[in-house]
Amino acid sequence: GAGVSQSPSNKVTEKGKDVELRCDPISGHTALYWYRQSLGQGLEFLIYFQGNSAPDKSGLPSDRFSAERTGGSVSTLTIQRTQQEDSAVYLCASSDSGWDTDTQYFGPGTRLTVL
Amino acid sequence: GDSVTQMEGPVTLSEEAFLTINCTYTATGYPSLFWYVQYPGEGLQLLLKATKADDKGSNKGFEATYRKETTSFHLEKGSVQVSDSAVYFCALHTGGFKTIFGAGTRLFVKA
Repeated sequence: GAGVSQSPSNKVTEKGKDVELRCDPISGHTALYWYRQSLGQGLEFLIYFQGNSAPDKSGLPSDRFSAERTGGSVSTLTIQRTQQEDSAVYLCASSDSGWDTDTQYFGPGTRLTVL
Repeated sequence: GDSVTQMEGPVTLSEEAFLTINCTYTATGYPSLFWYVQYPGEGLQLLLKATKADDKGSNKGFEATYRKETTSFHLEKGSVQVSDSAVYFCALHTGGFKTIFGAGTRLFVKA
């Protein structure tokens, strides 16, 4: 079956613009994660969705960041009024149930560049 | 809070050398531990995992043992190959459903 897909693969935007990043998880996976990978840095947790439960937004760095997951499948990460420090690779992952023993399957990422 | 510390890179080895990448963690609960690998130009993928103390994860010649007493999950391989050149991430996942990743260790293997 298909893996996790993300679009666009690259996004260049001007400071102050809004951007939307999309993630299509593996079919049937109930858990979905967003991470940010800045140059030379590890992965920074942003937000977690599990089924129909309220998402864990504890990793979102500011109120300019938001995410939603429609119908328990596709997710969109929105960054409003982008800043240069938002430049990074944004990774999406999904897992079967979200339990601590589950493997996460990662998408190829969206590279965001804010000029 | 929970955290993962792994050795800084880059690590440069010759082919067939022994590899150790250290990883230690702090966690309030009983996490599962993972090593993920990112090959050049590819996405992150699971290398191996261990879900409870004293478990050993293994894959592609790599091994790591979940040591609760030393809060460690060091990655080892007896004989590295050029194709092992990649960035390796140690991670923990607790019942809070948040995964904490280390900063990553870049490995270069020379022929």
